[in-house]
Amino acid sequence: DAGITQSPRHKVTETGTPVTLRCHQTENHRYMYWYRQDPGHGLRLIHYSYGVKDTDKGEVSDGYSVSRSKTEDFLLTLESATSSQTSVYFCAISDRVRGEQYFGPGTRLTVT
Amino acid sequence: AQSVTQLGSHVSVSEGALVLLRCNYSSSVPPYLFWYVQYPNQGLQLLLKYTSAATLVKGINGFEAEFKKSETSFHLTKPSAHMSDAAEYFCAVSDPPWAGGTSYGKLTFGQGTILTVHP
Repeated sequence: DAGITQSPRHKVTETGTPVTLRCHQTENHRYMYWYRQDPGHGLRLIHYSYGVKDTDKGEVSDGYSVSRSKTEDFLLTLESATSSQTSVYFCAISDRVRGEQYFGPGTRLTVT
Repeated sequence: AQSVTQLGSHVSVSEGALVLLRCNYSSSVPPYLFWYVQYPNQGLQLLLKYTSAATLVKGINGFEAEFKKSETSFHLTKPSAHMSDAAEYFCAVSDPPWAGGTSYGKLTFGQGTILTVHP
């Protein structure tokens, strides 16, 4: 298994509070991604990073921000959580050569 | 823009029967295609990928998929279902490396197909 961890694995928070999810990799891959998974929608890309301090928006980026200060860490922040952000969040990594992505175990976030 | 359509959100088969999960894609360039499997409360695991080499791709756990450009399809099959195959399966598409830009590697996923295997 690819060395990807996510923390926390589960979180319950209240509407309006800030939340930060962390993705940590030990593979030294350049590309990192944040997805959310919702029933009937598959996985949708929130933000991605193509290097330290290099990030870009995905399909559903509104209400989310990211940061990448080190190769191994990619942080996803919900500035003010809303109930519509209740979801399972997955981090993924990839190298440019093989093309496929490797996924972390996910974080289940509930916003009450 | 890329898109993926998985026909059938739920597929049910008997143990030992053929598994066929359908995936159609739309892409402006020759794509890379992937099938992932997700077991309950776990992350996604790569089953197989197509990267413009052989059109029939073999993956793990006895699964295979055939790339058909004329039909823009990448259906997943397994000759004989096993109880352990019960999971959710996702088809995904990305640009190839030669497409350039920083968006290489971004995956667009289908909605997923839940496979149920009956004894």
